[in-house]
Amino acid sequence: EPEVTQTPSHQVTQMGQEVILRCVPISNHLYFYWYRQILGQKVEFLVSFYNNEISEKSEIFDDQFSVERPDGSNFTLKIRSTKLEDSAMYFCASRDSPPVAFGSGTRLTVV
Amino acid sequence: AQSVSQHNHHVILSEAASLELGCNYSYGGTVNLFWYVQYPGQHLQLLLKYFSGDPLVKGIKGFEAEFIKSKFSFNLRKPSVQWSDTAEYFCAVNAGRAGNMLTFGGGTRLMVKP
Repeated sequence: EPEVTQTPSHQVTQMGQEVILRCVPISNHLYFYWYRQILGQKVEFLVSFYNNEISEKSEIFDDQFSVERPDGSNFTLKIRSTKLEDSAMYFCASRDSPPVAFGSGTRLTVV
Repeated sequence: AQSVSQHNHHVILSEAASLELGCNYSYGGTVNLFWYVQYPGQHLQLLLKYFSGDPLVKGIKGFEAEFIKSKFSFNLRKPSVQWSDTAEYFCAVNAGRAGNMLTFGGGTRLMVKP
């Protein structure tokens, strides 16, 4: 069964550094998403992406965040200057028709 | 804005006990409703979904959920839990529009004692 894959599974970065989280959505899917889950908190929507542009974003998704689909298969989330509070599990998801399929997540630790 | 509440944060049951996890949402329009499960160390997996039709939906692993529109609820049930059901369960709502985001509840951590 096709899966959404995310790399790396765990990334540690220093505060102020840029990180890129990578995702390979399921190949025939058209809608792509990033969610995050801070430890002990709810899963929160960050951004949705369709037809090569952002279709919706939350208040969390400020100017330090960006998404890109650089080559037709990867879907990346860039955090420009990481802060301690960006430490979380980041989930990529994709879908054709509902429901979404989630990746296994990247645990980002900012030190 | 839509919101989802799961009132049980932690539930501990013995094997073979019956399970019901509450989920309430606030949104007045058409909704799609989901339950996801996250086993320890694994990713979110879809248990079941409701889009329309029969309000009692059956999912994988013996789970079912009932959509009660008048109560804005979508409670998850299982008649007899197993130790392998130990996981975190998330209710989620999508406001029924293509491309729309999911809003998650805070999750319920279920522990089943063998």
